[in-house]
Amino acid sequence: VLTQPPSVSVAPGQTARITCGGPSIGRTAVNWYQQKPGQAPLLVIYSDGDRPSGIPERFSGSNSGNTASLAISGVEVGDEADYYCQVRLGAGGHRVFGGGTKLTVL
Amino acid sequence: QVQLVESGGGVVQPGRSLRLSCAASGFTFSSSYLNWVRQAPGKGLEWVAFISSDGQDKYNAESAMGRFIISRDNSKNRLYLQMNSLGLGDTALYYCATDGESGSLDHWGQGTQVTV
Repeated sequence: VLTQPPSVSVAPGQTARITCGGPSIGRTAVNWYQQKPGQAPLLVIYSDGDRPSGIPERFSGSNSGNTASLAISGVEVGDEADYYCQVRLGAGGHRVFGGGTKLTVL
Repeated sequence: QVQLVESGGGVVQPGRSLRLSCAASGFTFSSSYLNWVRQAPGKGLEWVAFISSDGQDKYNAESAMGRFIISRDNSKNRLYLQMNSLGLGDTALYYCATDGESGSLDHWGQGTQVTV
């Protein structure tokens, strides 16, 4: 089970941090998705801290111990969305998502 | 570019079956692992099923175990999800997604709506 805060609020230009908790999550790679209303999810971070092509450098990730984090620096109004963490369980095909965090830009 | 287009959704009565399809293009389908993910109205993402590139390895979420069957046809570049014994809890938007590094889901379709 991956635990995320239901909501995070931040002012424009500030840094938003969204956490994803799980027992020993630091031992596995964490992926992060952004989902805006009416749109499919978009991968923004994979393997803890790597960014797919086209994702701004403002998005970064870290993972250690029992908590993984997504940081968005210089938050813009356009970053307002739901964010989900996700991991692969073991070496097999099972995946699991966190419950999601709604990012509000004040 | 990668394109995934889901189809086959609709309104179905409880207990009935439905088969979803995902047409893929823009990448080497036969070499790609694939997933189904769903999202109930107003809820979060829920991973449903995974299939390996040759179709030999398949995994289901517990909620889909014994009812949903994932399959693929590499000659047609198509992914399928056969859903049986549908219940009210299966109402959701169903996405197909390609598997990327570290088990990430790196490309997504726009989804097909299933209403039970």
